[in-house]
Amino acid sequence: EVQLLESGGGLVQPGGSLRLSCAASGFTFSSYAMSWVRQAPGKGLEWVSTITGSGGSTYYADSVKGRFTISRDNSKNTLYLQMNSLRAEDTAVFYCAKDFRYSSSPKDAFDIWGQGTVVTVSS
Amino acid sequence: DIQMTQSPSSLSASVGDRVTITCQASQDISNYLNWYQQKPGKAPKLLIYDASNLETGVPSRFSGSGSGTDFTFTISSLQPEDIATYFCQQYDNLPLTFGGGTKVEIK
Repeated sequence: EVQLLESGGGLVQPGGSLRLSCAASGFTFSSYAMSWVRQAPGKGLEWVSTITGSGGSTYYADSVKGRFTISRDNSKNTLYLQMNSLRAEDTAVFYCAKDFRYSSSPKDAFDIWGQGTVVTVSS
Repeated sequence: DIQMTQSPSSLSASVGDRVTITCQASQDISNYLNWYQQKPGKAPKLLIYDASNLETGVPSRFSGSGSGTDFTFTISSLQPEDIATYFCQQYDNLPLTFGGGTKVEIK
């Protein structure tokens, strides 16, 4: 079964850091770009970041550029999101998502999503 | 950034009704448009990709159409299990952007 399982969310103070993880199973992890998408409470979906299958290219939303770093360990089938300088407006459910197609493009649909991990930034 | 405008933001319909949601892109995105269903407390689920292609396992009462800037998502016969919020998403350009969502309820 194809599955994504996020972890690492929690409560953090403004200015703090958190690292999210996403463990993948059931597919050839290194063949697909992976992304993080977030959803603030009661709000819509916001793309955060994408990393290509090899890890050689990364892409970020302007709202997180310079503060968040996406990475992956293909030997562990795991995706990461290092989040620094967190702000109240980063409070959200963070989902990891698999790109639909085997491609080097970071632009695609997301066919598999994790259950989400909650990040709360508050003092 | 490409803005995706979805309408309506919510709707109420009866079981068996035909339901239509529209999504308008701020610029031409060809057919690089996907539709997702999100049930409360759950992750989104891909229903339609490339504007009109049904994802494997998705019931045929769901369909999508359109190209360029104007897109339509249709549920041909609303079922109780279709209660959810539906989002469109463009992938023509980064940043990938989503519509604001349409909450579908049963009347």
